[in-house]
Amino acid sequence: GAGVSQSPSNKVTEKGKDVELRCDPISGHTALYWYRQSLGQGLEFLIYFQGNSAPDKSGLPSDRFSAERTGGSVSTLTIQRTQQEDSAVYLCASSLASANYGYTFGSGTRLTVV
Amino acid sequence: DQQVKQNSPSLSVQEGRISILNCDYTNSMFDYFLWYKKYPAEGPTFLISISSIKDKNEDGRFTVFLNKSAKHLSLHIVPSQPGDSAVYFCAASDYNNNDMRFGAGTRLTVKP
Repeated sequence: GAGVSQSPSNKVTEKGKDVELRCDPISGHTALYWYRQSLGQGLEFLIYFQGNSAPDKSGLPSDRFSAERTGGSVSTLTIQRTQQEDSAVYLCASSLASANYGYTFGSGTRLTVV
Repeated sequence: DQQVKQNSPSLSVQEGRISILNCDYTNSMFDYFLWYKKYPAEGPTFLISISSIKDKNEDGRFTVFLNKSAKHLSLHIVPSQPGDSAVYFCAASDYNNNDMRFGAGTRLTVKP
């Protein structure tokens, strides 16, 4: 597609359940990033994939969070045993190379943990 | 650790006037700065950037100013238009870093 696609756009889940968020980056973009935006906060870096290199997981807030990128394209962010503080908008972005080329963001997944 | 700060959560200006959005950073290793614009229910979109070798970059109605000694940058929009109403995020990175640090955003409202 022409842009970065994220699904679902909204997700309501019960505390303790696992959730999977999907990101389809722009074709040909080698770099893929996950961020989240909690209410009143800036965009918080979570994880970065670049080509076939090992991902930079330094932003993941706990071991309940994990992400994969299959075949250098689609990425899935998984949150296990969700907590209410996980409620946020999760944004995926892709770029041709490193951060300095500017990102193209998806519309985000609004996760609400009740 | 908030390395990029946007201290004004909101700004309201009249159509046709200048909008000035401010951003401060603490990490002296940052050498590339960007502004993103975000409409409700959409992802942020890239607006304008500046590298640390410059102190000004202009693109149409948008100009970004960088003051390295003060670790401060600003975005000027002139003349402001109602369609500019959005949340503006300031972001910073160093060239070798993978992650980009974002501010909390400033909600700009341009009144007709």
